[in-house]
Amino acid sequence: DTVLTQSPALAVSPGERVTISCRASESVSTLMHWYQQKPGQQPKLLIYLASNLESGVPARFSGSGSGTDFTLTIDPVEADDTATYYCQQSWNDPTFGSGTKLEIK
Amino acid sequence: QVQLKESGPGLVQPSQTLSLTCTVSGFSLTSYNVHWVRQPTGKGLEWMGVIWTGGSTDYNSALKSRLSISRDTSKSQVFLKMNSLQTEDIATYYCARDSGYYYDGTYYPYVMDAWGQGASVTVSS
Repeated sequence: DTVLTQSPALAVSPGERVTISCRASESVSTLMHWYQQKPGQQPKLLIYLASNLESGVPARFSGSGSGTDFTLTIDPVEADDTATYYCQQSWNDPTFGSGTKLEIK
Repeated sequence: QVQLKESGPGLVQPSQTLSLTCTVSGFSLTSYNVHWVRQPTGKGLEWMGVIWTGGSTDYNSALKSRLSISRDTSKSQVFLKMNSLQTEDIATYYCARDSGYYYDGTYYPYVMDAWGQGASVTVSS
């Protein structure tokens, strides 16, 4: 299985720029996707194929990367962005990262 | 409007079988794949399996021996059955639609663009 590693938590202030990283244990090309999960809710697709913004998602969200290193950027961060963010690869059977919990100070 | 809704018993006895139903609306099961994903409380997401538009299935190798996914296209329902349940299977179970995307002429599945609200399952006697 492809293991995806994310840092566990981040805390930023509103208006700042935040980057959330995801590292894959092997190359997944650009087959990486990002989801946002707010407390008590289901996950929501933000970014697909590393850098493509899902319809309806604010342009404050962007994704980049290829191979083994990927980044989700939120700029500027808003209070409503409090959530856990998961990366997911589809190079082989899907696996998810352990999630990065984003706190807005 | 695309919707998915999971249903089923919230409590299963140890060693028994879990049966969940995902009822979808706003799209056809013959046009979109549907996945099952689970999440233990306070933990991360685990992909369980998928039923493809043609009716074939693929499963997480760690669950394959216990898991079965099927569907009834006439009722727009996808079914999950998992046997020999243990406390490690306590989780919220989600069904999710696979949007699939074409990029540079190639089709890429395994992108989940719509999710149900989830069904909470406890294993206890």
